Amino acid sequence: QKEVEQNSGPLSVPEGAIASLNCTYSDRGSQSFFWYRQYSGKSPELIMFIYSNGDKEDGRFTAQLNKASQYVSLLIRDSQPSDSATYLCAPTSGGSYIPTFGRGTSLIVHP
Amino acid sequence: GAGVSQSPRYKVAKRGQDVALRCDPISGHVSLFWYQQALGQGPEFLTYFQNEAQLDKSGLPSDRFFAERPEGSVSTLKIQRTQQEDSAVYLCASSLGTGVRGYTFGSGTRLTVV
Repeated sequence: QKEVEQNSGPLSVPEGAIASLNCTYSDRGSQSFFWYRQYSGKSPELIMFIYSNGDKEDGRFTAQLNKASQYVSLLIRDSQPSDSATYLCAPTSGGSYIPTFGRGTSLIVHP
Repeated sequence: GAGVSQSPRYKVAKRGQDVALRCDPISGHVSLFWYQQALGQGPEFLTYFQNEAQLDKSGLPSDRFFAERPEGSVSTLKIQRTQQEDSAVYLCASSLGTGVRGYTFGSGTRLTVV
């Protein structure tokens, strides 16, 4: 059974702060790791992927991966109210890269 | 098309009714997934296609659920004798290749069984 654990939140941060979202996973065979953002009533949209240990930066977003600890995180710098959404962590495994989603962390950025 | 298209957008079914949900992936996308998302939960994997081949259907919750993609493009998820627990958003996602760089989701079909 592949498990993906995320704190459901809500995580509340002030505008301009750094939001830190965490995820642990059970499948040591996981290869790629996706972060999706899902606004209420909308479908998930891909914001980051990472497959090597370390950090990967894309604009205000930084994904961090530690395979030994089976831990992946997403940092959002200079958080904006428009970042308020649920963030879904999704490791993939197997040759088909099938994502297994966590239940997501709700982020609220307040002005 | 420009994105993954799903229809209908909303479906209300009476318990026991059969339903068919359609997914039209981005043109040329090889991989296609179906997920089920209950309220407040993350998407749960149902099944995966590579072209017309259904390579993984381990997530289908019962034999009432059936999916097909006969020509390797449009896919249909069929649910027979719907039950109240089938009420959820059904999401379709596709990718050009193996999806190592992620997938594009459609807007989903919200199924309500009454």
